[in-house]
Amino acid sequence: DIQMTQSPSAMSASVGDRVTITCRASQGISNYLAWFQQKPGKVPKRLIYAASSLQSGVPSRFSGSGSGTEFTLTISSLQPEDFATYYCLQHNSYPYSFGQGTKLEIK
Amino acid sequence: EVQLVESGGGLVQPGRSLRLSCAASGFTFDDYAMHWVRQAPGKGLEWVSGISWNSGSTGYADSVKGRFTISRDNAKNSLYLQMNSLRAEDTALYYCATLDVWGKGTTVTVSS
Repeated sequence: DIQMTQSPSAMSASVGDRVTITCRASQGISNYLAWFQQKPGKVPKRLIYAASSLQSGVPSRFSGSGSGTEFTLTISSLQPEDFATYYCLQHNSYPYSFGQGTKLEIK
Repeated sequence: EVQLVESGGGLVQPGRSLRLSCAASGFTFDDYAMHWVRQAPGKGLEWVSGISWNSGSTGYADSVKGRFTISRDNAKNSLYLQMNSLRAEDTALYYCATLDVWGKGTTVTVSS
């Protein structure tokens, strides 16, 4: 089974900051990686698919990169509505697996 | 409107069974693989199970393999999750998802 290691598990940042979250796969997954945002009490929302493709309607300050085993989600300039928990998901092969999550809080 | 609506959750005793359903509307259901994802209270997302568009391929998390069975009925635009031998650790909010589209979830509580 493929394990996804996400870091950091939590971080604090300020509005306007550039933020990077990393996911590492235990084996190569090509670009079969997605990023999700979840706010408290809300349904997860897909931000990025195929490692670097921006979901329709998602602001361009979000971007994804990587292939193989190393992936990053970058928020270029944090906005107040971006404070949430972020998850990566590998969908290269069953069983799929999420990272542990990164809780992004206001500094 | 694209929509997924889960049902079938509830309170169940350990060792008992429960069947979740998910009704899809607003999109061509049989164009998509479907998944169940769960979230225990205060915890992260856990992928539970997935099924290909034609039911030809299914997958399960190790934590549920042998106990849960995923299925779908494309004629009824519906996804199912049969959950047997339930444990306290199966307590969670269960989401039905294409991964792009998510339902609001149905809560399963396993407790005596």
